[in-house]
Amino acid sequence: EPEVTQTPSHQVTQMGQEVILRCVPISNHLYFYWYRQILGQKVEFLVSFYNNEISEKSEIFDDQFSVERPDGSNFTLKIRSTKLEDSAMYFCASSDQVNYGYTFGSGTRLTVV
Amino acid sequence: GDSVTQMEGPVTLSEEAFLTINCTYTATGYPSLFWYVQYPGEGLQLLLKATKADDKGSNKGFEATYRKETTSFHLEKGSVQVSDSAVYFCAFLTRGSEKLVFGKGMKLTVNP
Repeated sequence: EPEVTQTPSHQVTQMGQEVILRCVPISNHLYFYWYRQILGQKVEFLVSFYNNEISEKSEIFDDQFSVERPDGSNFTLKIRSTKLEDSAMYFCASSDQVNYGYTFGSGTRLTVV
Repeated sequence: GDSVTQMEGPVTLSEEAFLTINCTYTATGYPSLFWYVQYPGEGLQLLLKATKADDKGSNKGFEATYRKETTSFHLEKGSVQVSDSAVYFCAFLTRGSEKLVFGKGMKLTVNP
């Protein structure tokens, strides 16, 4: 069964450093997403991406965050200057249609120290 | 604002017990409803969905019915197995938005 692949599975970074979280969506999917889950809290929407541009973003997704599809297969989330409160599990997802549910990756656990 | 309220766990059941996980939602517009499951060490997997009122989603013995009048989408399974041990998330998508709104998730442990 097709999968969404995320790397790394766990990343530790120092406060103020830039991090890039990587995702390989399912190959024929057109819609891409990032979500995060702070420990013990709800899974929260960050951003959606379609046709090489952001289609929707949440208030969490401020200027410190950016997304990119640098080639035909990868989808990345960059956090420019990490803060302690960015520590969370970050999930990438993709879909071939809106409103039909997404396929999620296994997540990247980001720890900011 | 848009939100999902679901039963908080953790819940521990014996194998073959009946499971209900309650979920209610507050949504602007007419949402599509989902249950996601997260097995230990894995990502979120779509368990089942329903896109209009009175639809029943089902998968792997789990069922949930879209109840518009009570804004609910309760998950049920008649006889749970050890392999059902996981965290279960209720979620919805409002039409015109790509943002999945999740509940807090409920951890289920099934003992043999």
